[in-house]
Formats: sequence, structure tokens, C-alpha cells
Amino acid sequence: GQQVMQIPQYQHVQEGEDFTTYCNSSTTLSNIQWYKQRPGGHPVFLIQLVKSGEVKKQKRLTFQFGEAKKNSSLHITATQTTDVGTYFCALPHAGNMLTFGGGTRLMVKP
Amino acid sequence: SQTIHQWPATLVQPVGSPLSLECTVEGTSNPNLYWYRQAAGRGLQLLFYSVGIGQISSEVPQNLSASRPQDRQFILGSKKLLLSDSGFYLCAWSPTDRVEQYFGPGTRLTVT
Repeated sequence: GQQVMQIPQYQHVQEGEDFTTYCNSSTTLSNIQWYKQRPGGHPVFLIQLVKSGEVKKQKRLTFQFGEAKKNSSLHITATQTTDVGTYFCALPHAGNMLTFGGGTRLMVKP
Repeated sequence: SQTIHQWPATLVQPVGSPLSLECTVEGTSNPNLYWYRQAAGRGLQLLFYSVGIGQISSEVPQNLSASRPQDRQFILGSKKLLLSDSGFYLCAWSPTDRVEQYFGPGTRLTVT
């Protein structure tokens, strides 16, 4: 079955440093999604990538879909304390379902 | 706009007691609905999903059940809770023509 690996599991950064989380799939994907979950909160949809090599930006967040559509990354430039949370990638399967990666928990020291 | 509600927000139940968690969606019709469980500090485990009234698919065999008595209502239940049922239960919906999911605020269940 479909497998997804997300690394790193945890990341501590100093405020102002950059952060990147990576998501790797065992199969070629039609699309990939990213979600953010604040501590104590629920996952919130951030973005969907569809095209090979696609790059999308949301302010300080840059999302990239690999050329082979088997991996993706989320990069945050100059982290802020508001970026704290767990970032999940999610892969579609069987039509309407998603397989979530294990998440990368980001902690930012002010 | 669409909104999703879950209740209760928190719940403490003894082992062996029954469970009923409710999720409702407003502002849309015929949504796909999902129940997830999240253990502390862990990822999301899909438990059930539904594409329509009375249509439930189970992803993980366990002592939990789900029902969809109305188009925008999704219920998660159990006849007898186990300690291992503790966790954060999240309901989500997605439009039928799109794949992104929108999550409710969740229910924190502690089984004692």
C-alpha cells in the first residue's frame, strides 16, 4: 500500500531561522496537500500542489512538488513564534481519502 | 460559508461505558465526512468515512462504529470503551468535487 514518510519528526529553531519539512511517497501522486495544526488545535488546510515541479508561495511559506511527483517540501523563511505547530503532508488515495504523514513538529524559540 | 461543529469538546469516560460523539456540517450539502483519531503527539488515523447517508466505510477494525443518519450529521460511537480509545477525535468534511478536508475543533476523550 501507499507509504508516506515525513522528516524531520521534530525541529527546534531560533526565531528568524529558516525551517524545512520534507514529505516522501512510495508512489507517484496526483496531488499533495499540506496542513498545519497549532498546539491544542485542529489541522487546517494550507495548500494543494498538483503539477510536477510546482512551486507555490504563501507569504513566508514556500511549497514545492517534486518533478517526479513523489516528494514535496514546505519551507518557512525567517520563522516567527506564530509558526509553531505541527505540519502534515497528506496524500490522496482511493478517491476521496487522504493518508497523512506523521507530521513535523516545529518549535520556535523567541 | 461552511462550518463544522463537534461536541462535546472534552469527555472523560470510564472503561466499559458507551460513547457517542457528534459532528454536524452547515452550509453545504452531500459532503464527504470523515472521523479521525489522533493520539497525543502523533499523526492522524482515519477511522471512518462516508460519501452519503447510511454509507459508511471503516478503515481500521476496532470497537468503534459510525453512523450518518442525516446528510450533514456524522456520529461516532462505541458500546464499551477501552483505555486505548483515549485520544483526540476529529471530524472532517470535504466537498464531493474536491479533495481538501476541513476539520472540526475535535473532542478530547480520556478513558479512565
